[in-house]
Amino acid sequence: DVQLVESGGGLVRPGGSLRLSCAASGFPFSTYSMNWLRQAPGKGLEWVSSISTSSDYIYYADSVSGRFTISRDNTKNSLFLQMNSLRVEDTALYYCARFDGGRSSFGLWGQGTLVTVSS
Amino acid sequence: DVQMTQSPSTLSASVGDRVTITCRASQSISTWLAWYQQKPGKAPKLLIYRASTLEDGVPSRFSGSGSGTDFTLTISSLQPDDFATYYCQQYNTYVYTFGQGTRLEIK
Repeated sequence: DVQLVESGGGLVRPGGSLRLSCAASGFPFSTYSMNWLRQAPGKGLEWVSSISTSSDYIYYADSVSGRFTISRDNTKNSLFLQMNSLRVEDTALYYCARFDGGRSSFGLWGQGTLVTVSS
Repeated sequence: DVQMTQSPSTLSASVGDRVTITCRASQSISTWLAWYQQKPGKAPKLLIYRASTLEDGVPSRFSGSGSGTDFTLTISSLQPDDFATYYCQQYNTYVYTFGQGTRLEIK
């Protein structure tokens, strides 16, 4: 099956760290740019970060720049998000999503992993 | 960054109605616009890309139009399965932004 499966979410104290993972299957992972997006409880969608196929180009939303690091391992069909200096406002469901260049849109999403930042 | 403004925020309609959701970009994005549908507890689903191209498997009652800064998503005849939240998303720069969402409710 073509799918993305996120893991690594949980409860963390403000200032803490967490590493999210996304396992891809059923498609040529190394040929797609990949992204992390998030959705705070009851709120809209927010793009967080993107990484190109060979990790040459990496971009972040201003809200996470300097605190989060995106990476990928094409040999293991995996995407990662290292989150440091977490804030209460980082609480959200974090989605891994495949960017379909020909469609200029996010054509495949995971089910999300919940990150809760609270003292 | 390009800001996306959707309207209305909430829309009440009945099965069989024709509804239109609008999305306005803060600067021209050509046709680099996508529409997504999200149901409670589920990930978003791509409906339309490049402003007007229907994703495979999406019913033909959905359509998109527009270019530049003004875009619309139209559902020609609402079905029970269509009650959900809809988001527009722009791709014009390396920062992707979404509209705030339109919640489509049953009247």
